[in-house]
Amino acid sequence: AQSVTQPDIHITVSEGASLELRCNYSYGATPYLFWYVQSPGQGLQLLLKYFSGDTLVQGIKGFEAEFKRSQSSFNLRKPSVHWSDAAEYFCAVGARGSQGNLIFGKGTKLSVKP
Amino acid sequence: GAVVSQHPSRVICKSGTSVKIECRSLDFQATTMFWYRQFPKQSLMLMATSNEGSKATYEQGVEKDKFLINHASLTLSTLTVTSAHPEDSSFYICSARVLAVFYNEQFFGPGTRLTVL
Repeated sequence: AQSVTQPDIHITVSEGASLELRCNYSYGATPYLFWYVQSPGQGLQLLLKYFSGDTLVQGIKGFEAEFKRSQSSFNLRKPSVHWSDAAEYFCAVGARGSQGNLIFGKGTKLSVKP
Repeated sequence: GAVVSQHPSRVICKSGTSVKIECRSLDFQATTMFWYRQFPKQSLMLMATSNEGSKATYEQGVEKDKFLINHASLTLSTLTVTSAHPEDSSFYICSARVLAVFYNEQFFGPGTRLTVL
């Protein structure tokens, strides 16, 4: 069965510091991979997605993620965090050949210190 | 990108009443919409898949008689929480699927906060 693990429930970084949010997935083949961000009381905004090709994916707001097949990981990174990046981040997996169903990780809450 | 709206954004109701939440795709047609539920500080859990013109498909453990889903048009799906109780209080998010050659991507609405007193 598909599953997504985000090992870190809560991460705090200083503004301007680099960020890496971890995501590991379990799936029999290469899935479609997504990162979403959710601000308090809001819906989900897509940051980036990986379907195929270059394993380093660039997204909005300066985020990037790297797909590593050998590690079944799709970690999200940002070189310099801004206070406005404080939010909840969700990694999600979509099965190839599916009708668009997504499986979400439990999320990582990012806090940013001034 | 494709825009999905939800109405209302926030609703408070008394226990025992029913509440309807609308999900609209504003600039595209969606044959399939999804309804998710999110408890505080938790992830999104898929409740049901709503297909235009047919019955919704519910996930295991979701009461279909309590959470009525109607997808009467290609741009509108509604979720009705019937006889709501405090334990139904949650954040409900819908998404609409865009058909594409490569992958049928979902676009999410802003969510509806339901509080049952």
